[in-house]
Amino acid sequence: DVQLVETGGGLVQPGGSLTLSCAASGFTLGSYWMTWVRQAPGKGLEFVANIRQDGGDKVYLDSVKGRLTISRDNAKDSVFLHLYILTVDDTAVYYCARDVGYAVDLWGQGTLVTVSS
Amino acid sequence: DIVLTQSPGTLSLSPGERATLSCWTSRSVAPKYIAWYQHKPGQAPRLLFSGAFIRATGIPGRFGGSAAGTEFTLTISRLEPEDSAVYYCQYYGQRFGQGTKVEVK
Repeated sequence: DVQLVETGGGLVQPGGSLTLSCAASGFTLGSYWMTWVRQAPGKGLEFVANIRQDGGDKVYLDSVKGRLTISRDNAKDSVFLHLYILTVDDTAVYYCARDVGYAVDLWGQGTLVTVSS
Repeated sequence: DIVLTQSPGTLSLSPGERATLSCWTSRSVAPKYIAWYQHKPGQAPRLLFSGAFIRATGIPGRFGGSAAGTEFTLTISRLEPEDSAVYYCQYYGQRFGQGTKVEVK
């Protein structure tokens, strides 16, 4: 099956860090840009970051620059989102998604990150 | 930066009726940059249209997309209860509109 599975979410204290993983299967990960999107409780979808096929180009939401890093390992069919200096505003479901050029056509089920003391 | 404004915020309609959702861009953009998604609670979002009106695989024909100037429109003819969801437009595979909630009951 073609799918994306996110892992790594959980409860973290303000100021803490976390790494989210996205495992791809059923397609060649290295052929696609990959994207992370989040949804805070009661809010809409928000683009967080995306990364080019070879990892050489990355785009970030302005408000997370310096605190989030996107990376990938095509040999391991995985994409990562490293979150640092977390605040309560980072509490959200984080989705990994496949970019097909100005749209994302495949989404994971999401992983919940809760930032709370 | 492009801003996407969706209207209305909420749409409450009955089964069989037609829904018209708008997404306004703050300046003119090429239709190829606009996508539409359906998002139901507890589920992953689903791509409906890329390029403003190119229907994604498996999307029923009663969903339609169009573009006119800075207004992009998603129409759902003959609403069904399972169409209840929040619908988002997106620009350039990045920025999202705030969403339109469609209630079918």
